[in-house]
Amino acid sequence: QVQLQQWGAGLLKPSETLSLTCAVYGGSFSGYYWSWIRQTPGKGLEWIGEIHHSGSTNYNPSLKSRVTISLDTSKNQFSLKLTSVTAADTAVYYCARGGAIDAFEIWGQGTMVTVS
Amino acid sequence: DNVMTQSPDSLAVSLGERATINCKSRQSVLYSSNNKNYLAWYQQKPGQPPKVLIYWASTRESGVPDRFSGSGSGTDFTLTISSLQPEDVAVYYCQQYYNTPYTFGQGTKLEIK
Repeated sequence: QVQLQQWGAGLLKPSETLSLTCAVYGGSFSGYYWSWIRQTPGKGLEWIGEIHHSGSTNYNPSLKSRVTISLDTSKNQFSLKLTSVTAADTAVYYCARGGAIDAFEIWGQGTMVTVS
Repeated sequence: DNVMTQSPDSLAVSLGERATINCKSRQSVLYSSNNKNYLAWYQQKPGQPPKVLIYWASTRESGVPDRFSGSGSGTDFTLTISSLQPEDVAVYYCQQYYNTPYTFGQGTKLEIK
């Protein structure tokens, strides 16, 4: 049974870089897209971007200039970096398996990130 | 972006009764080459990540009770809970994965009447 476990800093100051990592346990990393999604009370669920196991990426145009998603296949992990954060980036961030031709079938537990 | 609009925003239904949630996409999510609708439904309970219930608009995820069903095609979709149970109290979201950026509806809060 595939599980995702995510971690990263939960409190940032404005202008800092948000960095989160998600590890994939119990299943193959290959053949899937891996996404980052965030949730705020105001804007709801927002897809940030995705990476394929081949390394190809797609980003939400609204965040593209600040986002980098990368992967480490040797560790079955993928990561999110979001630069120059502001209070508007305060949200619960989730990693998930899915994107492209798949729904988001498996989710991480979520990480609350506060920018203050 | 393909804006997804759900209705209603909130819904109160009696136990054992039917609950219906609608989702409308600004653009069609039907891919003509395979006749599949790239539309999913999720259930989210407080403090938990969303859980997929339905994908391809009408395919139930493994383990999801058969009282949950999805229907629709193109731009108009419906999630139906045939007989509401206490554990179904949650917020429900539709989501399109036809094209990027993938987008979600604003959510429908389902409560017991």
